[in-house]
Amino acid sequence: NAGVTQTPKFQVLKTGQSMTLQCAQDMNHEYMSWYRQDPGMGLRLIHYSVGAGITDQGEVPNGYNVSRSTTEDFPLRLLSAAPSQTSVYFCASSRGTLQETQYFGPGTRLLVL
Amino acid sequence: SQQGEEDPQALSIQEGENATMNCSYKTSINNLQWYRQNSGRGLVHLILIRSNEREKHSGRLRVTLDTSKKSSSLLITASRAADTASYFCATAVSGSARQLTFGSGTQLTVLP
Repeated sequence: NAGVTQTPKFQVLKTGQSMTLQCAQDMNHEYMSWYRQDPGMGLRLIHYSVGAGITDQGEVPNGYNVSRSTTEDFPLRLLSAAPSQTSVYFCASSRGTLQETQYFGPGTRLLVL
Repeated sequence: SQQGEEDPQALSIQEGENATMNCSYKTSINNLQWYRQNSGRGLVHLILIRSNEREKHSGRLRVTLDTSKKSSSLLITASRAADTASYFCATAVSGSARQLTFGSGTQLTVLP
């Protein structure tokens, strides 16, 4: 199993551009989440999904959209990139609830100029 | 401030020594988890301890949980250079089944 995969690994955007961060998992997990990690801070939850067709907001959802059309995929869209969105983004999945063991992808490092 | 706070922020030890990291939190929890993150990589789950458990072991790892003090500790015995990483605690808050709350981490450096 590949586990949780993320693409791209690194991306540079200009302010105002849009892009989609891809996330896929092959463990048949119902729960998937997007986190951002900033220096000196813990991971913060952006959006999450409890199954195909069901998504909800986390702690810091503004400026991001998600959708979940299949169990495997959970893309994160930046609508109009801002320098404040410069961060490392992690996708995670879990077998049970969002409070159970999280399996993380390798991350996408995003720089917004 | 964050639900989980690790202490110390940074720790440097010699290979073979034990490393202890602590996590304090503010509200009641369902479980507490520890994760490791190597530089430039994703987080890897180490151990989960539930609120009704006091101690768990996994290889060279020992985790304790004191719900009366709202604190947990992670002990890594006989440390190796490969243990160099950031370690995060994550708390699953009671009454909020939606998420884990991560602390800002302890950076452990094990010197050969």
